[in-house]
Amino acid sequence: ETGVTQSPTHLIKTRGQQVTLRCSSQSGHNTVSWYQQALGQGPQFIFQYYREEENGRGNFPPRFSGLQFPNYSSELNVNALELDDSALYLCASSLGGENIQYFGAGTRLSVL
Amino acid sequence: TQLLEQSPQFLSIQEGENLTVYCNSSSVFSSLQWYRQEPGEGPVLLVTVVTGGEVKKLKRLTFQFGDARKDSSLHITAAQPGDTGLYLCAGARGTYKYIFGTGTRLKVLA
Repeated sequence: ETGVTQSPTHLIKTRGQQVTLRCSSQSGHNTVSWYQQALGQGPQFIFQYYREEENGRGNFPPRFSGLQFPNYSSELNVNALELDDSALYLCASSLGGENIQYFGAGTRLSVL
Repeated sequence: TQLLEQSPQFLSIQEGENLTVYCNSSSVFSSLQWYRQEPGEGPVLLVTVVTGGEVKKLKRLTFQFGDARKDSSLHITAAQPGDTGLYLCAGARGTYKYIFGTGTRLKVLA
């Protein structure tokens, strides 16, 4: 039990739709990172938020966007969904400056 | 582009056997972490290694960071069915970005 909760746990969308995934970070953690994990692969870094500001981004197109709220919870938004967006989306919370991340159980997104 | 290659990709062994998983890169990392991920869950941090040549032990698991901080290994002694899972290495690039490896899926048979 990491204290990081993600919702929903599973989601099915069709190509072209938009989706919002949510993450509630561990109490006291001010940093949230989002990862995409395709089947059979390791997680790929999407972006990180620190105190409501984007603090770094991986090689993902602009249709992947995010928000972090004053309570440090976060959202990942994906527009114009493509079939290849089907994956497990993980968020991880940490305390800024520390290199220990705590992962949620993820949201499994299927794009049909 | 996956900067961290893990080998083997899959490993199925009998309970009690020893095994080693490798994590290799041509890039230098400021630190390297090992995680275990079980089905339906997120990765759980096992260890962080920071110094080249560093060795850390966690019960039956031994982690080593290469001298040049480009590679790492995880050795499990006397594997148990509870060790079954996906093992991931992750290298830190700067202060915020973690590059994950391709993963090694381990199955330990009773």
